[in-house]
Formats: sequence, structure tokens, C-alpha cells
Amino acid sequence: QVQLQESGPGLVKPSETLSLTCTVSGGSISTYYWSWIRQPAGKGLEWIGRIYSSGSTNYNPSLKSRVTMSVDTSKNQFSLKLSSVTAADTAVYYCAREGGGWVPEDYWGQGTLVTVSS
Amino acid sequence: ENVLTQSPGTLSLSPGERATLSCRASQSVSSSYLAWYQQKPGQAPRLLICGASSRATGIPDRFSGSGSGTDFTLTISRLEPEDFAVYYCQQYDNSPWTFGQGTKVEIK
Repeated sequence: QVQLQESGPGLVKPSETLSLTCTVSGGSISTYYWSWIRQPAGKGLEWIGRIYSSGSTNYNPSLKSRVTMSVDTSKNQFSLKLSSVTAADTAVYYCAREGGGWVPEDYWGQGTLVTVSS
Repeated sequence: ENVLTQSPGTLSLSPGERATLSCRASQSVSSSYLAWYQQKPGQAPRLLICGASSRATGIPDRFSGSGSGTDFTLTISRLEPEDFAVYYCQQYDNSPWTFGQGTKVEIK
């Protein structure tokens, strides 16, 4: 059973960079796309982007100028960096696996709350 | 981007009743790339339906999806107590993937 776990600071100051890591267990990170999705409190889901195990990325244009994703296959981890954060970036951040083909995000982490505040 | 609009915003029903949720896209979606998720408070979304009509692994057959083009439907044939939750549709046909704003199915 594939499991994903987000980790990183729960509090980030405005204008700084949010950094999160997702650790994958129970399966290999290879040959899949891995996504980041966020959800502000009481609101809907926003797809941030995805990274393939080779390092190829697709980002949401609304965040593209501030987002960087990376993957470390040796550690079975992938990461998200979001720069120049504001209070609008406060949300629960989820990492997820795309199942491949016509299967979208099928395995999700439990989510981690990141608050942007001074 | 492809904007997904879900209706109604809230559905108030009793256990045993049938729930019909709608998802309308601003641009046509290939049927292979429309999904439905269920989310309960404090939990991550759970994939229910992919490819517009295929149930994900372990999903009960009371959940069914249909539709094509710009109009899609999720039907729950007989609501069980554990089905009261928020439901989201998602298109993963064209980047960026987008989600609808959600439909809350609440106990009447």
C-alpha cells in the first residue's frame, strides 16, 4: 500500500519561501507523476503542479513564477518550494500520486497546514 | 483554464435517498479525464470515479459516474450514513488540472 507523508514548517513568514517534502513509502517513486494540491480553510482544492520521476514538471500558471518542484529518487521523496508567500498562501498542502494513464491523483498524503504569518 | 462549476452547492437528503450531483465544464473534457472525489472533514480527498464512469479500487457500486463533453454527473443510488461529505469533480484533460468548488451532501 502506497503511503505519502508531507513534512515541513507549519509557520512561514510573509515574503519568505515555503518548503515542503513528501516522502513516499510502500512503492517506488519511479514512473509516476507526483502532485501538490492545496486547500485554504473552508475552501476548495487548487492544483499547484506535478513532477515526474525524471524531473519533468508542469505548474499551474497562476503560481508558476513562484513554484519550484524537485524529486530525489534515492530517498523516494519529492519537494515543493513556493517563494514570496503571503497570507493568501495559508492552506493545507497535500502531496499525491497520479495513478497514470487515465487515473488521476489516487493516493494522497494526510495534508499539512502551512500558515503564513509574521 | 477549464473552469468546473458544480451544482447544487448543498444537497440536503436523508439516508436511503438518491443523490445526483452535477459538474459542468467551461470547455469540453475528454471523458477519460474527469474524476470525482469525496472529502470528509479533516481528511484528504478520496478518489471515487475516474475516466468519468470507472469506479476506483474499493469504491462501492452505489457510486456511479456518467456524462461527456461539458456535462458530468455523480450519482449515489442510496445514501449511507458515511456518504455525507463534500464531493469535488476534477478535470485532468488539460493543464492546469482544475477542480469544481464542491457540493456538500448533508443529512436532512
